[in-house]
Amino acid sequence: QVELQESGPGLVKPSETLSLTCAVSFDSISSSFTWWSWIRQSPGRRLEWIGEIFRNHSTNYKSSLKSRATISLDSSKNQFSLKLTSVTAADTAVYYCARTSVPYYDVLTGDPYYYISVWGKGTTVTVSS
Amino acid sequence: DIQMTQSPSTLSASVGDRVTITCRASEEISSWLAWYQAKPGKAPKVLIYKASTLKNGVPSRFSGSGSGAEFTLTISSLQPDDFATYFCQQYHSYPYTFGQGTKLE
Repeated sequence: QVELQESGPGLVKPSETLSLTCAVSFDSISSSFTWWSWIRQSPGRRLEWIGEIFRNHSTNYKSSLKSRATISLDSSKNQFSLKLTSVTAADTAVYYCARTSVPYYDVLTGDPYYYISVWGKGTTVTVSS
Repeated sequence: DIQMTQSPSTLSASVGDRVTITCRASEEISSWLAWYQAKPGKAPKVLIYKASTLKNGVPSRFSGSGSGAEFTLTISSLQPDDFATYFCQQYHSYPYTFGQGTKLE
């Protein structure tokens, strides 16, 4: 069973860059036919999908975060990362890394769909001076 | 973005009760909806995907139904381990979006 573990600083100063890493065990990010995702939950708010990356380094991002977020893969370490620039207090949250399922295909259109099948436990990041 | 509205926000129940949680999407998402269970300090766990498919290993007291824009999660007979927060998620369109969660207490 795949396991995901987030790591990174728990405190980041405003205007600086938040950097998190997700270590993947019992799966290979370079061969898995799934997406590797970042999701966060700010205090009192619902979960927010940030973005995802595929093994070929294709990415998708939430449009409102796209200018500040970068998700990358490190196949040699079997991990993926999130960088979020110019952080503010609004970026204070529990950050989760996650893996999607393999694709399920719409019988009519043939389009692939992926649900989030495995989550990490999350890591708390506070933005404060 | 597709808005997911989950109700109720809090649900008080007892062991053995049958409970239902509802999730409504702001537009049609076919059956591309998942339900998750979250507990403090633990990784959220998927219970149901494609609206009604039970994830391997999830007890059969959990069930999901619905399609289009209205979905439900039902727990047929609450067990002590089921007291947690539940949330829905649509994966029909980017950005993926979540319900606000239902705390079962």
